[in-house]
Amino acid sequence: DTGVSQNPRHKITKRGQNVTFRCDPISEHNRLYWYRQTLGQGPEFLTYFQNEAQLEKSRLLSDRFSAERPKGSFSTLEIQRTEQGDSAMYLCASSPGSVGRRTQYFGPGTRLTVL
Amino acid sequence: KNEVEQSPQNLTAQEGEFITINCSYSVGISALHWLQQHPGGGIVSLFMLSSGKKKHGRLIATINIQEKHSSLHITASHPRDSAVYICAVSGETSGSRLTFGEGTQLTVNP
Repeated sequence: DTGVSQNPRHKITKRGQNVTFRCDPISEHNRLYWYRQTLGQGPEFLTYFQNEAQLEKSRLLSDRFSAERPKGSFSTLEIQRTEQGDSAMYLCASSPGSVGRRTQYFGPGTRLTVL
Repeated sequence: KNEVEQSPQNLTAQEGEFITINCSYSVGISALHWLQQHPGGGIVSLFMLSSGKKKHGRLIATINIQEKHSSLHITASHPRDSAVYICAVSGETSGSRLTFGEGTQLTVNP
């Protein structure tokens, strides 16, 4: 399967714990995006990488959130000291190219539940 | 007011009906995207358009840049079309990130 993959698919954690999610984009896609979706809402942008450079971060991304894409391939999103409000579906998407408009290809998401 | 608004929020149709979902946006855009999301979360891109009209099978997407409005049409709807349909825009000044509407839940009954 050469689509975008995300792991884990589901994560249940207790409030205050740290969690880390991984996204593997489609091979050779330069751009990688993280979005968050709560129940009944459309996704919201979190952050975006062009190769290994993090080019944009949303104001939604508090200092408890950090994302990396160390070699311009896979990316990780870490949430420290989780809160119940962090419960959501975390979506990763990738797209080819470095300029212009491109279709984004989404992974299946990681559903986080914070108890 | 959200930058991207969709209507209706929920839509129930009988198999075979012609369906229209509308999207209005309030910002300058470089492209508008229509996406489909099935239960469980997976999102599939249906269309990306910046002008005119695109067609793929029974799906048609149109955009009017002057009116900042787009429509997604489904002809001869089928129960397998049941899903959430989401409109999203790539802003002129927001890089390539997407700003999403809240989605339209479509249910097609046999």
